Amino acid sequence: NAGVTQTPKFRVLKTGQSMTLLCAQDMNHEYMYWYRQDPGMGLRLIHYSVGEGTTAKGEVPDGYNVSRLKKQNFLLGLESAAPSQTSVYFCASSENSGEPYSEQYFGPGTRLTVT
Amino acid sequence: GEDVEQSLFLSVREGDSSVINCTYTDSSSTYLYWYKQEPGAGLQLLTYIFSNMDMKQDQRLTVLLNKKDKHLSLRIADTQTGDSAIYFCAENIGVDSSYKLIFGSGTRLLVRP
Repeated sequence: NAGVTQTPKFRVLKTGQSMTLLCAQDMNHEYMYWYRQDPGMGLRLIHYSVGEGTTAKGEVPDGYNVSRLKKQNFLLGLESAAPSQTSVYFCASSENSGEPYSEQYFGPGTRLTVT
Repeated sequence: GEDVEQSLFLSVREGDSSVINCTYTDSSSTYLYWYKQEPGAGLQLLTYIFSNMDMKQDQRLTVLLNKKDKHLSLRIADTQTGDSAIYFCAENIGVDSSYKLIFGSGTRLLVRP
């Protein structure tokens, strides 16, 4: 049981390049989330998904797209990277965020630098 | 609006108690959480408290909740060097038919030998 895994762990992009971050979970969780973490700030929600085939915007969705074609995977895409997207990206999953308490399990993070 | 605030840094000596404080703004939060982030790792849930409680104890951890002042604290007794990490406070708020977490900026705890 690997929990939540993310690939890649590190990436350096030039401005304007595109890339996809992959998140996978093996806990059969319905809900998945993408956050970004910037220095001196808490995690901010980019997009989330309440089930296979569904996605929704979080607090800071601009410049990102997501897809949830399979229940276990949640992809985060940057179509045209900008230096402001330099950050550490965390994926998380939870069994059911429709309940007031539902623990989120986090991946180890992807450190992305855009030059 | 939704806001969670924490102090940025705390340094304690090994064996002392650590107290990490947090204030939040949404009075409708049903659960409040403490997450721990070790270097190079994701966040792990440390403990949580339901909003109708004012205290929760779990081994070396004590969570105090003052709902009137919207103040949450985490006390770590007999702090060890392995407790050095960033601690995030988070509240959950209802959004449509689900809930989302709002995180504070994190408190970096340094435990000196």
